[in-house]
Amino acid sequence: DAGITQSPRHKVTETGTPVTLRCHQTENHRYMYWYRQDPGHGLRLIHYSYGVKDTDKGEVSDGYSVSRSKTEDFLLTLESATSSQTSVYFCAISEFSSGVFYNEQFFGPGTRLTVL
Amino acid sequence: AQSVAQPEDQVNVAEGNPLTVKCTYSVSGNPYLFWYVQYPNRGLQFLLKYITGDNLVKGSYGFEAEFNKSQTSFHLKKPSALVSDSALYFCAVRSFTGKLIFGQGTTLQVKP
Repeated sequence: DAGITQSPRHKVTETGTPVTLRCHQTENHRYMYWYRQDPGHGLRLIHYSYGVKDTDKGEVSDGYSVSRSKTEDFLLTLESATSSQTSVYFCAISEFSSGVFYNEQFFGPGTRLTVL
Repeated sequence: AQSVAQPEDQVNVAEGNPLTVKCTYSVSGNPYLFWYVQYPNRGLQFLLKYITGDNLVKGSYGFEAEFNKSQTSFHLKKPSALVSDSALYFCAVRSFTGKLIFGQGTTLQVKP
């Protein structure tokens, strides 16, 4: 999984509690992404980062926030978890170059989150 | 609007037979297209990409994909399927903002 780890790998939590998921990379890639995967929806982008402290929203960002204080770490926080946020969350990274649009993304192993 | 469609939820093929997983796209400008594979309880693995040039792109594990601009398609193919190819396959296109837009995925089932 291209030097990407996610923690925790599984989590069960209750509605209304805050949850933080961590993505750690050893590839020194500039771009990092958080996706959620749900049946029938493929992968949907939540937030992404194009450098330390530089982040932007994806298509399903409501209820989520992110932070990136170091190149290697990208945190996803569910401020007050809801049952609709039960999903599998994937982190991805990609390299920066002049042809950044050409570069593929590499994915972590995923975190399965259940909100009761 | 930019989008990717994978018209088949599931494709079934016998081992040794050729396989095709279909993908069509809609994007402004030049399309940058990708295929990924996901095995159970794993993250997505990059298979191949089309940026420019030859319409037939070769990738990992013997897979290839054919880019067809007139039909706005990027179908994934393999001449001889293996049982171990059974997995979930995603097509994706880069939007003009640089983000990846994924199709909903196609489950490939290869039977012995």
